[in-house]
Amino acid sequence: GESVGLHLPTLSVQEGDNSIINCAYSNSASDYFIWYKQESGKGPQFIIDIRSNMDKRQGQRVTVLLNKTVKHLSLQIAATQPGDSAVYFCAEKAAGNKLTFGGGTRVLVKP
Amino acid sequence: DTGVSQDPRHKITKRGQNVTFRCDPISEHNRLYWYRQTLGQGPEFLTYFQNEAQLEKSRLLSDRFSAERPKGSFSTLEIQRTEQGDSAMYLCASSLGVPITDTQYFGPGTRLTVL
Repeated sequence: GESVGLHLPTLSVQEGDNSIINCAYSNSASDYFIWYKQESGKGPQFIIDIRSNMDKRQGQRVTVLLNKTVKHLSLQIAATQPGDSAVYFCAEKAAGNKLTFGGGTRVLVKP
Repeated sequence: DTGVSQDPRHKITKRGQNVTFRCDPISEHNRLYWYRQTLGQGPEFLTYFQNEAQLEKSRLLSDRFSAERPKGSFSTLEIQRTEQGDSAMYLCASSLGVPITDTQYFGPGTRLTVL
């Protein structure tokens, strides 16, 4: 992922609408991907994960899509709620155990 | 709450001082990780432990940084002779150590400010 410094991309969404957050990952050898949610002043919180042998996985109100051909990952949040306002990071894991994080997207939910 | 805990949550220090942070992982997790996060960016890997063994260190971890996990449970991260560039959030994570889908769960972080 590309760092965007202090100027995070921001997605403004109306409460109740669906949100789609995109992430381009860098390593074609990555075999595991995770989406994290981070609220201000807190650590990243696990949302959903997907292995590289899958292209879609669903959780409660969230869906992750993986397109290995173009090295793209997306997170869909259904019926976005005010509590979904946060910064969202994708992370990839290749050989070894460290995670490499993307630059983050800020989601602002408008009431 | 049996999540990852970190102490202190905030630390303000003067340049040149040493600081030490503590992380208590989820109890059954045998892997423990340290990351650093600066404002507006994603966490960057620093180092990780499998039980008490430190298995990987990032080149971000200069010789002023040292991490330990002496009994394979809690870990400490020490920064000697702090510099203003060390100001960041220091995050700890832990995982079970299963193949491939080894989810890392993060603590609340320690925010370090070096004056």
